[in-house]
Amino acid sequence: DAGITQSPRYKITETGRQVTLMCHQTWSHSYMFWYRQDLGHGLRLIYYSAAADITDKGEVPDGYVVSRSKTENFPLTLESATRSQTSVYFCASSEVTVVSEQYFGPGTRLTVT
Amino acid sequence: GESVGLHLPTLSVQEGDNSIINCAYSNSASDYFIWYKQESGKGPQFIIDIRSNMDKRQGQRVTVLLNKTVKHLSLQIAATQPGDSAVYFCAEIPNYGQNFVFGPGTRLSVLP
Repeated sequence: DAGITQSPRYKITETGRQVTLMCHQTWSHSYMFWYRQDLGHGLRLIYYSAAADITDKGEVPDGYVVSRSKTENFPLTLESATRSQTSVYFCASSEVTVVSEQYFGPGTRLTVT
Repeated sequence: GESVGLHLPTLSVQEGDNSIINCAYSNSASDYFIWYKQESGKGPQFIIDIRSNMDKRQGQRVTVLLNKTVKHLSLQIAATQPGDSAVYFCAEIPNYGQNFVFGPGTRLSVLP
């Protein structure tokens, strides 16, 4: 299906484990983003990517790793999950420039126990 | 889909009335602003944007007003409909840069 998808939709993991959240878009958008959404903080940018093999930190990058070997995929890895990383994670993409409409995926609810 | 925001400020309006959702932004260097709508269980959806060289922009049933003097942004929705019930976020982007800064959001509840 066309659009932007995220998997898994729900994930429960234990403290210290590595977990990877997947994001896939079918529009060939240049830019992709990862946000986390928490009560009282709105959406906060974790990492973004301007193109394949180009990534940069956002507002809250600590504890996260990203890669972008292909334009359509932008996985987010928590190398050693902590309880403070319990959140809802959204992936987004935009077409040409970072300053343009961003299309969001449906989100992944991650719980770290 | 997912959403958060059980304890957000809430605006309740009657169906058919106009809604005004306000947002105060923090960075006087911000030069681009976006309003997003997030329905329950879904990701945010773009509504309208405005650049700092403008003070008003209109879309279909929506108008965004920008007051740079007091760093205030508002979203006006005309003839509010039940489908407008959602959480609305403003986002500011300083210096046409990379970091979108989102506000905490306002929940709009449309009463029949």
